[in-house]
Amino acid sequence: QSALTQPAWVSGSPGQSITISCTGSSSDVGVYDRVSWYQHHPGKAPKLMIYDVSRRPSGVSHRFAGSKSGNTASLTISGLQAEDEADYYCNSYTNIYTYVFGTGTKVTV
Amino acid sequence: QVQLVQSGAEVKKPGASVKVSCKASGYTFTDYHMHWVRQAPGQGLEWMGLIFSSGGRTIYAPKFQGRVTMTSDPFTSTVYMEVSGLTPADMAVYYCTREGVESYRFDSWGQGTLVTVSS
Repeated sequence: QSALTQPAWVSGSPGQSITISCTGSSSDVGVYDRVSWYQHHPGKAPKLMIYDVSRRPSGVSHRFAGSKSGNTASLTISGLQAEDEADYYCNSYTNIYTYVFGTGTKVTV
Repeated sequence: QVQLVQSGAEVKKPGASVKVSCKASGYTFTDYHMHWVRQAPGQGLEWMGLIFSSGGRTIYAPKFQGRVTMTSDPFTSTVYMEVSGLTPADMAVYYCTREGVESYRFDSWGQGTLVTVSS
């Protein structure tokens, strides 16, 4: 059960858009539309930002969008703001009720 | 509102066991599975396993099979996670997080419990 692969670091200027990739395999991301994304500020609890590849929970800004193509899921943050600076993790259902997280991406603004 | 409140920080010696609790409130306890996730210093989030809403069945990540035990007390809406045979590699912040049955997402998290392993 290997971690999904994410870039270690992505940066952008305020107002710009950035995209974080999350690469898995045909055993997880490629076969299940059960990819979620979490924002994690150090010292705080992670926060659900996207689920089922592209759905946003109520209260999450429309600046956050998810997508998937083949074995790779992506999170796009548009109109980057200082408060978006955090670690982001993807997560995928694999099989028989098991899950796997991505390696994590530090976003700097 | 939904709250998952975890027990406080622990300091354990190598070889010992630690049991972390997670008390849920603000929702129907049996409508949600509970997962455990940990983050070692400087590392990413790691899924450990879950206990089903019914409280009986558990599934553990292969890495933790045989060393982690998750239990549930529906009467107090509390879930427990015990790790045995602690090593320095188990030093981490441990989180509980809930999943609506068949929702495949973790929509609420505990505040985290730091477990330090040191001789």
